[in-house]
Amino acid sequence: RKEVEQDPGPFNVPEGATVAFNCTYSNSASQSFFWYRQDCRKEPKLLMSVYSSGNEDGRFTAQLNRASQYISLLIRDSKLSDSATYLCVVLRGGGNKLTFGTGTQLKVEL
Amino acid sequence: ETGVTQSPTHLIKTRGQQVTLRCSSQSGHNTVSWYQQALGQGPQFIFQYYREEENGRGNFPPRFSGLQFPNYSSELNVNALELDDSALYLCASSSEYDRGQDGYTFGSGTRLTVV
Repeated sequence: RKEVEQDPGPFNVPEGATVAFNCTYSNSASQSFFWYRQDCRKEPKLLMSVYSSGNEDGRFTAQLNRASQYISLLIRDSKLSDSATYLCVVLRGGGNKLTFGTGTQLKVEL
Repeated sequence: ETGVTQSPTHLIKTRGQQVTLRCSSQSGHNTVSWYQQALGQGPQFIFQYYREEENGRGNFPPRFSGLQFPNYSSELNVNALELDDSALYLCASSSEYDRGQDGYTFGSGTRLTVV
């Protein structure tokens, strides 16, 4: 079983739609959680950290459920420019490596 | 503030050759991590360097080796290249005080093709 699992997609949605991505992680020692965005053939860029209380940044909302070891990302009012691959990432407590999921591809269409 | 820079951006090598990839860390950062991203996969941790010493290693064979220099820049060396080594190689820097707690900033990567 992979340490971080995501649905690879692709998710094809119309502009203005709301889309949700889910991610599960297997290591209960995981301490920090992130969503990264990666455009085609570019480096991953931090989209947002994920906190237990949930956090929001504009159209993006991230949630963490430690009991279920589950992380989610909600994108409201999708824009064409949101088309990218979204990577779920965890960091173990005291650890020094980020563990990435395989990524979920989003395509926002007119 | 200077970000993470990597060189070269693209490289083509023949199977069996050796390659060296370079990374300059962000100003104020003393820790460098290297990741390999194969097509359609998430990045995989290769190793991390802190104060010129290896500080953790992923599931990669010994032919993947690295160095960190006193100015905190780093090199990734791969010997006896195999076709499966074709990937995007990413470098990320951090300080000892955050160790990625706020996420890492990645360089734009080196795309290695082994033929």
